[in-house]
Amino acid sequence: DIQMTQSPSSLSASVGDRVTITCRASQGINSYLAWYQQKPGKVPKLLISAASTLQSGVPSRFSGSGSGTDFTLTISSLQPEDVATYYCQKYNSAPWTFGQGTKVEIK
Amino acid sequence: EVQLVQSGAEMKKPGESLKISCQASGYSFTNYWIGWVRQMPGKGLEWMALIFLGDSDTRYSPSFQGQVTISADKSITTAFLQWSSLRASDTAMYYCASQERRGRPFDFWGQGTMVTVSS
Repeated sequence: DIQMTQSPSSLSASVGDRVTITCRASQGINSYLAWYQQKPGKVPKLLISAASTLQSGVPSRFSGSGSGTDFTLTISSLQPEDVATYYCQKYNSAPWTFGQGTKVEIK
Repeated sequence: EVQLVQSGAEMKKPGESLKISCQASGYSFTNYWIGWVRQMPGKGLEWMALIFLGDSDTRYSPSFQGQVTISADKSITTAFLQWSSLRASDTAMYYCASQERRGRPFDFWGQGTMVTVSS
């Protein structure tokens, strides 16, 4: 099965900073890559599908890129409300494996 | 309004059986996959399994194959996750989630069902 590896596992950045999270698939998955945001105590929320398509209502400071095996989630200007854990997920075929998550905090 | 409504929190003893549910409403879920996701306390999301409500076709993660059973009742657009013999390590929040259309990830999520297994 394809493994999904996120890095870093956690990060601390200042408000306004540019934040980048990477996700690597052990085999190619084309663009079948999603990013989710989970705030503490809340249900996960889909941010990005197809590697780079921002979901309706998601702030434009979020963006996704990549295809094949290497993907990136970028927050262009970190805001206090972005404190959360972010997960990537492959969904080209079962199992729809998640990455281990990246916890984002404010410095 | 699209909704996935899960059954309530459960407290069980090791060795007991359990079946939790996820009822879908708001559009034709019978044409799409519904999945189950585990989140152990303080840990990340783990994809467990998928079921296609239309014909009950299933897919399991190797990590959960044989440990749980997923099923569905198309007539009430409800998916189920069941255990025959719970262990303390099954203590977790369980989410159901579904896609808006074929080829998409999990667009919609249930509110979660907390399962606590303790003697």
